Amino acid sequence: SQTIHQWPATLVQPVGSPLSLECTVEGTSNPNLYWYRQAAGRGLQLLFYSVGIGQISSEVPQNLSASRPQDRQFILSSKKLLLSDSGFYLCAWSVLSSQGTGELFFGEGSRLTVL
Amino acid sequence: AQSVTQPDIHITVSEGASLELRCNYSYGATPYLFWYVQSPGQGLQLLLKYFSGDTLVQGIKGFEAEFKRSQSSFNLRKPSVHWSDAAEYFCAVGAQNGANNLFFGTGTRLTVIP
Repeated sequence: SQTIHQWPATLVQPVGSPLSLECTVEGTSNPNLYWYRQAAGRGLQLLFYSVGIGQISSEVPQNLSASRPQDRQFILSSKKLLLSDSGFYLCAWSVLSSQGTGELFFGEGSRLTVL
Repeated sequence: AQSVTQPDIHITVSEGASLELRCNYSYGATPYLFWYVQSPGQGLQLLLKYFSGDTLVQGIKGFEAEFKRSQSSFNLRKPSVHWSDAAEYFCAVGAQNGANNLFFGTGTRLTVIP
């Protein structure tokens, strides 16, 4: 069966410090990978998605970047965190089906607090 | 462009009562629709999905949803709510593009009182 792991679960970082959140998927190959952010009281905002190794698409301009060094690994990074980067970050994967859109499977999330 | 509206930010129901969470979508073609549930501090779990066929879909945990094209709605229902159903519920519509991503509503928080 497929599983998705995301870490760290909780992170408290000072403003201006770097960030690295990691996500790995097991039990599937060539998944589509996604990073979403969930701010308090708001829905989920798609930050990045990747359809293959080294292929990253950004949905919104921001202080963050993403990389996909391996087929089932997706990393969210920042060189200098801002207060506004605080939130709950969710990694997800899906497999592109013949119907076009399949469901997303989410990790447990990473709570980032920037002080 | 796709969008999802969940008009109810917070709903409170008594345990054993019926539940309906509203979801309206905007999409130019036949949508792919989903309902997810999120417990505090956790990721999202898929409750059910609609791709095509029967407009009444059954999901896990006793939930069901009905797709109504004429009303652009995909409301989630449960005949008898349990205390463990207290959570945040998200409706989403699938994008038929290369990203294969979902557009989410802002969520409805469900409180269950004994």
